[in-house]
Amino acid sequence: QKEVEQDPGPLSVPEGAIVSLNCTYSNSAFQYFMWYRQYSRKGPELLMYTYSSGNKEDGRFTAQVDKSSKYISLFIRDSQPSDSATYLCAMSGTGGGADGLTFGKGTHLIIQP
Amino acid sequence: DTEVTQTPKHLVMGMTNKKSLKCEQHMGHRAMYWYKQKAKKPPELMFVYSYEKLSINESVPSRFSPECPNSSLLNLHLHALQPEDSALYLCASSQVGQGETWAGAEDTQYFGPGTRLTVL
Repeated sequence: QKEVEQDPGPLSVPEGAIVSLNCTYSNSAFQYFMWYRQYSRKGPELLMYTYSSGNKEDGRFTAQVDKSSKYISLFIRDSQPSDSATYLCAMSGTGGGADGLTFGKGTHLIIQP
Repeated sequence: DTEVTQTPKHLVMGMTNKKSLKCEQHMGHRAMYWYKQKAKKPPELMFVYSYEKLSINESVPSRFSPECPNSSLLNLHLHALQPEDSALYLCASSQVGQGETWAGAEDTQYFGPGTRLTVL
């Protein structure tokens, strides 16, 4: 079993829909959870960062962490064609990045105009 | 400002060439990283520098040679590469060095735009 599981998609939804992206993990030591957005042929861009369980909201994006279920989610409201990208979840056991991030495979999201 | 810059954006090289990739950050970050990313795959860690010292080398072939001349700059020297080394090479940095704890605002790895490398 891989440490982080993420459905690679593609996930195709119409513009304006609510998008739900998810990752599951097996390592209970993970405490810090991130979502990165990566456009084709570009570097990953940090979208959301959460510590431990709970929700965090930033504009149209909401990150949710359920440590008891080892499950994290990213919700995108009022999705736009510009949201079309690959979304990578990442997680670590320590607050800094230097002890390593474990990535999911990434979900390819397509928002249809 | 969380900007990491990388040059060049694109690089085409032959298997006998020697070239270098460059990465800079001016955020005072203490750790810098090199990743390799193949199409439709997540980034794969190659090297970690913490306080300008190599702290992690993920069994990368010696044809890749990292260098950290100062706290803001990271290079990756390339020599005798193979076509299978063609990929997007990403640099990243983070505030905290390896083994440190951080009680401040969120800290994680911030990525540069990458260098797309093609080996002929």
